[in-house]
This record gives sequence, structure tokens and C-alpha cells, in this order.
Amino acid sequence: DSGVTQTPKHLITATGQRVTLRCSPRSGDLSVYWYQQSLDQGLQFLIQYYNGEERAKGNILERFSAQQFPDLHSELNLSSLELGDSALYFCASSVSDGYGYTFGSGTRLTVV
Amino acid sequence: TQLLEQSPQFLSIQEGENLTVYCNSSSVFSSLQWYRQEPGEGPVLLVTVVTGGEVKKLKRLTFQFGDARKDSSLHITAAQPGDTGLYLCAGPAGSYQLTFGKGTKLSVIP
Repeated sequence: DSGVTQTPKHLITATGQRVTLRCSPRSGDLSVYWYQQSLDQGLQFLIQYYNGEERAKGNILERFSAQQFPDLHSELNLSSLELGDSALYFCASSVSDGYGYTFGSGTRLTVV
Repeated sequence: TQLLEQSPQFLSIQEGENLTVYCNSSSVFSSLQWYRQEPGEGPVLLVTVVTGGEVKKLKRLTFQFGDARKDSSLHITAAQPGDTGLYLCAGPAGSYQLTFGKGTKLSVIP
């Protein structure tokens, strides 16, 4: 157990639907990062939150949004889902910038 | 955009063999990290190298950061089936987040 908890582990949904992925960071870590992993693109950075505030944005689609709550858990919302959104979504946390990440086990999203 | 190129993309070797995988960039990185990812799991941090020319050892794994801080290598001695996995290098991109290479998928056959 890495200390980073992601739920659900698997998610199958239809095109056009909306889903929410949840992440609880390791105790004491203030930064939460969301990454998408696909076979052809590898790990792609989506967005980072630090202590409740958005800190950096990567290649995140407008259909995707995220937030970090006062208890530091984070949610990634994916809407108007397309087949191409099928991927592994990872959450990672770190105590601060520049430190190594601790990853969760990921959510495998399948859009059918 | 700082890119990290990893090679080879796939590697299949017999137990007991030695191997080296590479992580290269045209950009200078202040540090590089190596992760190992097993199927169904998230990447796990193995090491961070910070100084050009630095060599770090983790049991049978030896990590080296290039003198110019543009490349890194991972050498595994006497590979074991437990070394099987996806090896990823990563470096800071911008101020806060990491950029990852696409990884080397290693299979060690008993």
C-alpha cells in the first residue's frame, strides 16, 4: 500500500457519460497530481493541486475538470466521454514540489 | 517542451543476464527520477539523481546521471524475474510537475 488511495479501481461507462475519479493523497502530502496513461502516449500530466489550489495545468481537455478539497482529497471529473478517453488515470502525491511522487494504483476507465 | 526518450522500448532477457536501459533528452534537467511500474499498479519511485556524473546503487540496480545532465542510464546486474516491469524516467517540466518518458518494458524470463 503506497498510501495514495484511488477509487474506483475499474470503471466501465458509455460514451457521453460523466464520471468522477477520487484520490486521497498520502498523509502529509499537500500536492496532488493527475496523470493519464495510455499505451501510445505514456504518462501525460493533466493537472496539479497544492493545498487546495490549482497549481499547474497540462494537456487537460476542457471536458475534464478537477478539484482538491479542504481535507486534501481530490476528484477528477470527466464528462461527455469519448472512446478515446479510455485509459488508466493515476493520482500521485508529494510533500512538496521537486520531491518524488507516490502514485496510487490507478483507475482503469473503459468507455464503450 | 522537454522530452525524455527511452530506449529500448522493449527488452526480453534471460534470468541472470545484465542489461542497460537509457533515458535521453536534448534538454538539461536539474534532476531525473527512475520509477518501476508493475502491471495493475502505479509507478514506484526507485531513485532520484541530482548531480551530473552521479552514480547511485540500489542492490543490483545502478543508476547514472550524465555529466551534462541530459541523459541517464539504468544498469541491472544478474536480472531476476522480479525485475520485470515498465521502467520510467522522469524529470521536472516547468516549475512543479514531472514529465515522463514512455518507458522500457522489461521481461526477465526464468
